[in-house]
This record gives sequence, C-alpha cells and structure tokens, in this order.
Amino acid sequence: DTEVTQTPKHLVMGMTNKKSLKCEQHMGHRAMYWYKQKAKKPPELMFVYSYEKLSINESVPSRFSPECPNSSLLNLHLHALQPEDSALYLCASSHPGRNTEAFFGQGTRLTVV
Amino acid sequence: KQEVTQIPAALSVPEGENLVLNCSFTDSAIYNLQWFRQDPGKGLTSLLLIQSSQREQTSGRLNASLDKSSGRSTLYIAASQPGDSATYLCAVGAAGNKLTFGGGTRVLVKP
Repeated sequence: DTEVTQTPKHLVMGMTNKKSLKCEQHMGHRAMYWYKQKAKKPPELMFVYSYEKLSINESVPSRFSPECPNSSLLNLHLHALQPEDSALYLCASSHPGRNTEAFFGQGTRLTVV
Repeated sequence: KQEVTQIPAALSVPEGENLVLNCSFTDSAIYNLQWFRQDPGKGLTSLLLIQSSQREQTSGRLNASLDKSSGRSTLYIAASQPGDSATYLCAVGAAGNKLTFGGGTRVLVKP
C-alpha cells in the first residue's frame, strides 16, 4: 500500500472561517510533509515533520498551523486565510533519511472567498 | 540555494516517438533525485527515484539518468502513448528530507 489519503478533496472557505485539512498514511513512514502548489507552478515546501516533531517550517504565515497527532496522521489547521492562499495543498510522506522515495496524496483544492 | 530547471516547459510529440525530458540543478550536494508525473488538478505520482550514488534507474518504458557532477538528469520515455500526456516534474532531495522541484515539462502525446 503506497497510498497517502487526503481529505477533503475540495474545500471552499471564507476569510473568517476555521477549517482543517487531513492527511493519512499507513506505510510506516515517519516523515510527513505539507506542500502548496499554485496553478501552473511547482509544489513549494511548507512544513516537514520527522518522528512526529516539526523539523522544518519554511517561514509559513501563522494562519497555517500544522499538527502531527501520531505517526500516521498529519493535519493542517487553517484560520483567517486570504484569497491568495487558494491553491492545491499536497501532503507527502517518506521514511526519514537520505535515499527514500516520497509519496504524495491527491491533494486538497482550497478556494478562499 | 538549490535551483532546479526543466527544459523544455512544454513538448508535443506524435504517438510512438520517444520522449526526452531534461532536469538541471545548481547544487550537486544532493541525496537523491525523483521524477514525478502530475495529471491536471491531481496529486503527484512517483515514477523513479535515483539515489545520489546511482547513474541510472529503469522502470518499464521509463529510464532516468543522473550526472551529479554536471547537475543533470534526463528522463527517457520509450514509445510514447497518449496516456503519457501529463506534466513531468523532477525534484532534488537534500538535507532535512527537503524536495526542491523544477517547474515541470508539460507533455502532449498526439494519437
């Protein structure tokens, strides 16, 4: 099973809403990631969790709050977003280490209105 | 700072022709290089992972090479099919499990 599952697939939220994106994997991976992808652009790294601890935050605004409650789950809590935050949010996982393959989910298409 | 470039940005070929996709990177201190496929509005599907110590990796009709010293990787897709139409992204892996992506090559295989 090389599947990373993201929910929901689509999300429309207002600028005052609070919502969460969820990501789950059962491959035993201990590194999990959030990427943001704007239309016709490559994915950009937001956060990396390694062994359930936040190891990299790529200077992401605090309106994005990641959480890794256990080794299989990764959440991204959203609050007071702006329309320019509309994008495809991708979750990925891998074994930590030098030569490991990253597996991506199908993404959540987020629209902020 | 690592920069990854993919040329061309778009490619259109007739069915049956071989595809050659290029990826270049500026910092040779990489852990690995991974090729992905992305269909419109979808997530990324991993195609091949080449470790930094490897020169080549093959899977079916796909073959990827890596020349770390010159900062280049090439993805070859043999005998292209319309189902190969997608965007192909290369990503360089480095410390902290960070992946840096190229801008992608959008491929159209015409029947």
